[in-house]
Amino acid sequence: AQSVTQLDSQVPVFEEAPVELRCNYSSSVSVYLFWYVQYPNQGLQLLLKYLSGSTLVKGINGFEAEFNKSQTSFHLRKPSVHISDTAEYFCAVSRPTGFQKLVFGTGTRLLVSP
Amino acid sequence: EPEVTQTPSHQVTQMGQEVILRCVPISNHLYFYWYRQILGQKVEFLVSFYNNEISEKSEIFDDQFSVERPDGSNFTLKIRSTKLEDSAMYFCASSETSGYSNQPQHFGDGTRLSIL
Repeated sequence: AQSVTQLDSQVPVFEEAPVELRCNYSSSVSVYLFWYVQYPNQGLQLLLKYLSGSTLVKGINGFEAEFNKSQTSFHLRKPSVHISDTAEYFCAVSRPTGFQKLVFGTGTRLLVSP
Repeated sequence: EPEVTQTPSHQVTQMGQEVILRCVPISNHLYFYWYRQILGQKVEFLVSFYNNEISEKSEIFDDQFSVERPDGSNFTLKIRSTKLEDSAMYFCASSETSGYSNQPQHFGDGTRLSIL
């Protein structure tokens, strides 16, 4: 079985500052890794995904994440955040074969203030 | 860009009543999913559906729940006799392929179900 831990429930940051949202996972098999964003009153939008290959993946809106197998982590980063990045961010894993049931973390609320 | 659409956006139902949540997946997608998110908690997998069959379901998806693809476009989640603890945001998702594919799941905006 897979599980995902997002240690920070809320991350406050000032506009134009860098941010890192942490994600650690547990799995007995290899996994695919995802970050989704949820803006208020909206669904989940895919930010980026890691399937294989380069451990640094780039996504939409200037976000990137790095897969670290030895530390079982997939932290999300952005060098300079905007007010519009305020949202809930979910890390998720799935098995690489069969049906892609997503297992989500509890989410991190990113609060960007001026 | 094609979207997954869910209706209604908010459903209020008396405890014990049946409720049907509706979803229109992206048209060329073949794999369908329901997830739920209880307020303040994580998003949880309920069920996946392919080729008119349930492919996987979670412990949450008990006999009170059922899914159906009644026609070529809709995908529904039915809760037969709702309980207070069924109050949650329900998300529908679809994907073009699964397994070795690079295609991710696309989510709808959700239906907020409130049981009174």
